[in-house]
Amino acid sequence: DAMVIQNPRYQVTQFGKPVTLSCSQTLNHNVMYWYQQKSSQAPKLLFHYYDKDFNNEADTPDNFQSRRPNTSFCFLDIRSPGLGDAAMYLCATSIPGGELFFGSGTQLSVL
Amino acid sequence: KQEVTQIPAALSVPEGENLVLNCSFTDSAIYNLQWFRQDPGKGLTSLLLIQSSQREQTSGRLNASLDKSSGRSTLYIAASQPGDSATYLCAVKGFNKFYFGSGTKLNVKP
Repeated sequence: DAMVIQNPRYQVTQFGKPVTLSCSQTLNHNVMYWYQQKSSQAPKLLFHYYDKDFNNEADTPDNFQSRRPNTSFCFLDIRSPGLGDAAMYLCATSIPGGELFFGSGTQLSVL
Repeated sequence: KQEVTQIPAALSVPEGENLVLNCSFTDSAIYNLQWFRQDPGKGLTSLLLIQSSQREQTSGRLNASLDKSSGRSTLYIAASQPGDSATYLCAVKGFNKFYFGSGTKLNVKP
């Protein structure tokens, strides 16, 4: 009964080859977040959606894009992955003022 | 900008010990504070959520407290077990964002 589902669990891509990570939720939460987490570091917010309103963090590289076609799904597109983009990518959802729920994450490797 | 600090960065204790993990934050204007557990290579699992109006929350062997005025929260784990070994992160919610600490890596030795 997973509530926030991320696919795939592991993703290997080549340097410069576009990659898309996906996230779906069954909670019907209106806020969805994408975080990047590198080893032993705090999760870093890349962007979030409040319903269809997209909010980009000021320091998120242009290489990272996102789409939210409906309430349930959200995608993270990395247009030209570099070695420094290898990380765990975490999707999370919440309602305003509420608890944050995370998926299991996608571990991205860039060769 | 909100800064969240967790001390210590790592902690090793023998099984059965009671322990306290610390979280401090610089801006007391928060909506809530949440404690998470993260196992290696996995996502974050929510443990406890404390709303800004609350002082503490309990779940099983876990008790979290919040002192907004001093910018501190503690997570108390009673009778620790090897299965408690993981990284524990706290996050505070500002207006529309969650701010995370870097976590405390806990090792409970059998």
